[in-house]
Amino acid sequence: KAGVTQTPRYLIKTRGQQVTLSCSPISGHRSVSWYQQTPGQGLQFLFEYFSETQRNKGNFPGRFSGRQFSNSRSEMNVSTLELGDSALYLCASRIGPQYNEQFFGPGTRLTVL
Amino acid sequence: DAKTTQPNSMESNEEEPVHLPCNHSTISGTDYIHWYRQLPSQGPEYVIHGLTSNVNNRMASLAIAEDRKSSTLILHRATLRDAAVYYCSIGGGADGLTFGKGTHLIIQP
Repeated sequence: KAGVTQTPRYLIKTRGQQVTLSCSPISGHRSVSWYQQTPGQGLQFLFEYFSETQRNKGNFPGRFSGRQFSNSRSEMNVSTLELGDSALYLCASRIGPQYNEQFFGPGTRLTVL
Repeated sequence: DAKTTQPNSMESNEEEPVHLPCNHSTISGTDYIHWYRQLPSQGPEYVIHGLTSNVNNRMASLAIAEDRKSSTLILHRATLRDAAVYYCSIGGGADGLTFGKGTHLIIQP
């Protein structure tokens, strides 16, 4: 069974631009979560989607948004990029929100110049 | 604020047991204890989770203190492939995970 895939793997943007990252969960997994990982803050939860609905959100500004499609694929968008948004963005899927085990993708490395 | 405290790094020899500690004094009655590990240039990988009782799986064992304010991840026979950063996290099953800096585990051949 294929794992979680994320595209693109690397991205370079400039301040003020916006970016869209994509995640394809493991087949049969309906819950997708997004995380931001930085050396200073560690791994922080952004939001989780289940059945196309956002069910939980971390403490991030409204510039960070996401959505989930009917096939469980998910996208996250960051608008008006800031230098501090440079990070590894990870997507994780699980069968459903009641399951503890999450499966992570390799991440998208975003660099904001 | 980090909810868990872990040593920055630990070193062990190959084929010996490894005990990775984690303190989580603010844990609530419904919080699960999760352990993940991360190899360089990869996403985190699930290791084990538990609520109150000790847990075993094919990768590791999780020993949970009686007051649940600390736990220990046990790798029974470390291999070079176990060298990674190990993260301990607490939270409900429906909550997102939050990791601190974790423990960098070094395995000596």
